Amino acid sequence: GQSLEQPSEVTAVEGAIVQINCTYQTSGFYGLSWYQQHDGGAPTFLSYNALDGLEETGRFSSFLSRSDSYGYLLLQELQMKDSASYFCAVRAGSGGYNKLIFGAGTRLAVHP
Amino acid sequence: NAGVTQTPKFRVLKTGQSMTLLCAQDMNHEYMYWYRQDPGMGLRLIHYSVGEGTTAKGEVPDGYNVSRLKKQNFLLGLESAAPSQTSVYFCASSSMTETSYEQYFGPGTRLTVT
Repeated sequence: GQSLEQPSEVTAVEGAIVQINCTYQTSGFYGLSWYQQHDGGAPTFLSYNALDGLEETGRFSSFLSRSDSYGYLLLQELQMKDSASYFCAVRAGSGGYNKLIFGAGTRLAVHP
Repeated sequence: NAGVTQTPKFRVLKTGQSMTLLCAQDMNHEYMYWYRQDPGMGLRLIHYSVGEGTTAKGEVPDGYNVSRLKKQNFLLGLESAAPSQTSVYFCASSSMTETSYEQYFGPGTRLTVT
């Protein structure tokens, strides 16, 4: 089967750095994605890691270790607007097929 | 471009009623998906399609049917709604390349079954 684990909630203050971890078990692994979802909104894509290492996109970075079946999302210089739920999602399948299995999500609360 | 659109945005059904949710995308994507999202459970894949005329089961397909008669549209049907199908339904689409990894989501349909 396939499963992902991530913390249910994280709290931080404005300007701080927060790391959201994700561990997974899956077959046919292609890569790890991260999505952001504000309350009442749709998920939006943040990042994708297919290879080991760190990918940086502005204030957000994502890391993957395929050997450890582990990844994380790093958010720097936190802003109030970063308060949202963050989902890791494993891209799995065959032949380049884009099937995503989502974790249950981590709710991030940013306080002044 | 509108991206991915869903109709309706909200719906209340009584147990046993049927309905169809419509998803449309204008990005010429091959892949389309239907997810449901329940509190604390993330997104779960109901059905998906890898191209016009094709559909396949996801993680939680029971009680739902889908059709992809046109490339830009993906319909989700509930033949006999049950309270357990109360959820927020999201449609998504993506292109069909090895390096294409982003799914684009619609705004969602909030369905309540009483």
